Amino acid sequence: DVKVTQSSRYLVKRTGEKVFLECVQDMDHENMFWYRQDPGLGLRLIYFSYDVKMKEKGDIPEGYSVSREKKERFSLILESASTNQTSMYLCASRGDSYTGELFFGEGSRLTVL
Amino acid sequence: AQRVTQPEKLLSVFKGAPVELKCNYSYSGSPELFWYVQYSRQRLQLLLRHISRESIKGFTADLNKGETSFHLKKPFAQEEDSAMYYCALSPFGNEKLTFGTGTRLTIIP
Repeated sequence: DVKVTQSSRYLVKRTGEKVFLECVQDMDHENMFWYRQDPGLGLRLIYFSYDVKMKEKGDIPEGYSVSREKKERFSLILESASTNQTSMYLCASRGDSYTGELFFGEGSRLTVL
Repeated sequence: AQRVTQPEKLLSVFKGAPVELKCNYSYSGSPELFWYVQYSRQRLQLLLRHISRESIKGFTADLNKGETSFHLKKPFAQEEDSAMYYCALSPFGNEKLTFGTGTRLTIIP
């Protein structure tokens, strides 16, 4: 069974704080993704990575950065959290085919006060 | 750029009635299309994909290139089908997956 693990299920942060969301997958997948999930807006892609140290902007990258130093780990960074970044963040991984299944983590619910 | 549209935010259907969740896409090439589902308190998971031509949990989806649609259908709804459903698209040869806004399906007993 593919497992995608997000380190924090719930976080509460203050405006301006730096936030790290960690994601680890155990299936040696090349591709990893960060989405945010908001009611009525669906899943929106923030960043994805197709290899170690490689990253590509998704549809809403502003205010976020990512890091992929090891194949199994993909981190999402909010340099200075703002209230409009309050959301559910989903990490996912996928093998090397565009027809392949995306495997999701359980999500990290971030509240920025 | 690709786009996925799910016109219904909410859909309520009686148990035993047919279900159809609509999905339309815009993309100039040959995409791969998927349906993902999220049951209450569970993680998002793949329901089915076009390339597999499968029927999963009684659901099917047919790609209509003329209408650029990939509607999800089930002939007889069951209470356990209540969930959030997302349609998604990958462009040919590209790992990026774009999702629609989702449809919350409620099956009325």
